[in-house]
Amino acid sequence: KQEVTQIPAALSVPEGENLVLNCSFTDSAIYNLQWFRQDPGKGLTSLLLIQSSQREQTSGRLNASLDKSSGRSTLYIAASQPGDSATYLCAVRYDYKLSFGAGTTVTVRA
Amino acid sequence: DAGVTQSPTHLIKTRGQQVTLRCSPISGHKSVSWYQQVLGQGPQFIFQYYEKEERGRGNFPDRFSARQFPNYSSELNVNALLLGDSALYLCASTEGDVAFFGQGTRLTVV
Repeated sequence: KQEVTQIPAALSVPEGENLVLNCSFTDSAIYNLQWFRQDPGKGLTSLLLIQSSQREQTSGRLNASLDKSSGRSTLYIAASQPGDSATYLCAVRYDYKLSFGAGTTVTVRA
Repeated sequence: DAGVTQSPTHLIKTRGQQVTLRCSPISGHKSVSWYQQVLGQGPQFIFQYYEKEERGRGNFPDRFSARQFPNYSSELNVNALLLGDSALYLCASTEGDVAFFGQGTRLTVV
């Protein structure tokens, strides 16, 4: 059974600081890994998708890395802004379903 | 182009009642998945349908059922509601590797 863990559970930083969010998974036989953003009470917004054969993926201020052999992914958010405050979830896809971590709740203080 | 749409957005039901949740995938997407997200946790996989066939089922009791229609929209039914069924129910449509989620239906069982 695939287990996905995200550490830390919560993070508070001043505006402008870089964010580092961690995700680990127990079974390295994944198809891909996807990072999502979730605002309170809302659905999930896809941020980045990394295929199992890729090492990293970038979109604007976001960069995600993947080390499949060690079962780890890291999401970097550069120069954080108050609008980045949200919960960030990672999900690994194996077979036909996604397995999610519990998320890291980020607060960026102005 | 419209994203994944879910209805209703919120509803309140009494223990023992039955509920039906609806999802319309992104146009052209043939795969629909359902997830349950309890407060403070990551989403848990319930069902996936592809081309109207059930492709996978998560660890949920038989009170949970779903179906997919010829136009690829989907319904999730939950019978004999329990207090523990209170959650955000998310629908995702997938074409290729990226999963796109709707805004969810917030179900409260009292």
